[in-house]
Amino acid sequence: EAGVTQSPTHLIKTRGQQVTLRCSPISGHTSVYWYQQALGLGLQFLLWYDEGEERNRGNFPPRFSGRQFPNYSSELNVNALELEDSALYLCASTKGGLNNQPQHFGDGTRLSIL
Amino acid sequence: AQKVTQAQTEISVVEKEDVTLDCVYETRDTTYYLFWYKQPPSGELVFLIRRNSFDEQNEISGRYSWNFQKSTSSFNFTITASQVVDSAVYFCALRGVGSYQLTFGKGTKLSVIP
Repeated sequence: EAGVTQSPTHLIKTRGQQVTLRCSPISGHTSVYWYQQALGLGLQFLLWYDEGEERNRGNFPPRFSGRQFPNYSSELNVNALELEDSALYLCASTKGGLNNQPQHFGDGTRLSIL
Repeated sequence: AQKVTQAQTEISVVEKEDVTLDCVYETRDTTYYLFWYKQPPSGELVFLIRRNSFDEQNEISGRYSWNFQKSTSSFNFTITASQVVDSAVYFCALRGVGSYQLTFGKGTKLSVIP
């Protein structure tokens, strides 16, 4: 069974640009979660999608957005990039509605802002 | 609000020593789920174990063991006879029954020296 896959693995952008990160969940999983792991800030919850709908978002500005497609894959969009957006962005998936299940993570996308 | 505290920022041990990673949590939920994840230098988060709040039976799995103490809100993780491959950052995480995202601790960086 393929795990959670994320693309690209690395990305370099400059301030003010926009970026799109992609995530494919494990087959059969309908929930996708996005987390940001910035240096010194730990892992912070960004967004949760289930069955194509945004269910919850963390304490991040609106320039962080995303969507989930009918095949349950997801995109994370970040507009007007700032230096502090440099981080590892991790995607995780679970079978929706079962919150005692562990979230399985992808390898992440490392975003560097110059 | 939920909170997870991993007081140990970094630990270094010599190979074959035992090491315990501490985790203390706060939640108002009466039902909740606790997790340990491992993040090797490559970056991916690897799920290790899940514990339900209503299951206080501790467990041993090979060289790993977990000690869940509801009375002290602690969920500690022990590696017996540590190996160099155990070197990683270990995260403790919490999810309340009414919440689908994980709240992570800051992580403990474990270095196992040959």
